[in-house]
Amino acid sequence: GAVVSQHPSRVICKSGTSVKIECRSLDFQATTMFWYRQFPKQSLMLMATSNEGSKATYEQGVEKDKFLINHASLTLSTLTVTSAHPEDSSFYICSAPMTGNTEAFFGQGTRLTVV
Amino acid sequence: GNSVTQMEGPVTLSEEAFLTINCTYTATGYPSLFWYVQYPGEGLQLLLKATKADDKGSNKGFEATYRKETTSFHLEKGSVQVSDSAVYFCALSDPGGSYIPTFGRGTSLIVHP
Repeated sequence: GAVVSQHPSRVICKSGTSVKIECRSLDFQATTMFWYRQFPKQSLMLMATSNEGSKATYEQGVEKDKFLINHASLTLSTLTVTSAHPEDSSFYICSAPMTGNTEAFFGQGTRLTVV
Repeated sequence: GNSVTQMEGPVTLSEEAFLTINCTYTATGYPSLFWYVQYPGEGLQLLLKATKADDKGSNKGFEATYRKETTSFHLEKGSVQVSDSAVYFCALSDPGGSYIPTFGRGTSLIVHP
């Protein structure tokens, strides 16, 4: 089946630094990718839709300048958490739909801890 | 708008017990329905899906039937194993085809030996 790879799986960073998370579609092209945030014991919250070659579409309440999204190619989208703070600690998951499929394929997730 | 309602967990069962996790939905049009599973510390994996009314999705002993008349997609398994312990998410896809799924809150399943 289709594979979406997310890296890193875990990252610990200091407050004030920036962290980049990569999401790759390994065997298909994805013009669109989705970034989610998941709080402990809660469902997934859609943060933004990443569009190849154009600006990302952010959900209401998500800070564009804090969560920078770049979709530079048909197989790669990146999420950069800028000037991270402890409240940004969370589990971040990306997903990508494959053309012709009704479901989206998910990355393994990234556990971000800001200390 | 679209919404998915799942039974609250955690659901705690003994090994080989019967499992049901209820899921109902609200949507315009004819959505596709999914169950995703999330093992601890991992992303989501598609468990099964159904794309039209009366379809039954099945995988790894799990099954769910798309019931349009009751707007439900309940997940069942006849005999659970410890390895089934995970969080299960019911979801529907946007009928307009944008592939952005709407998720339920998730139901944690804990299976004891």
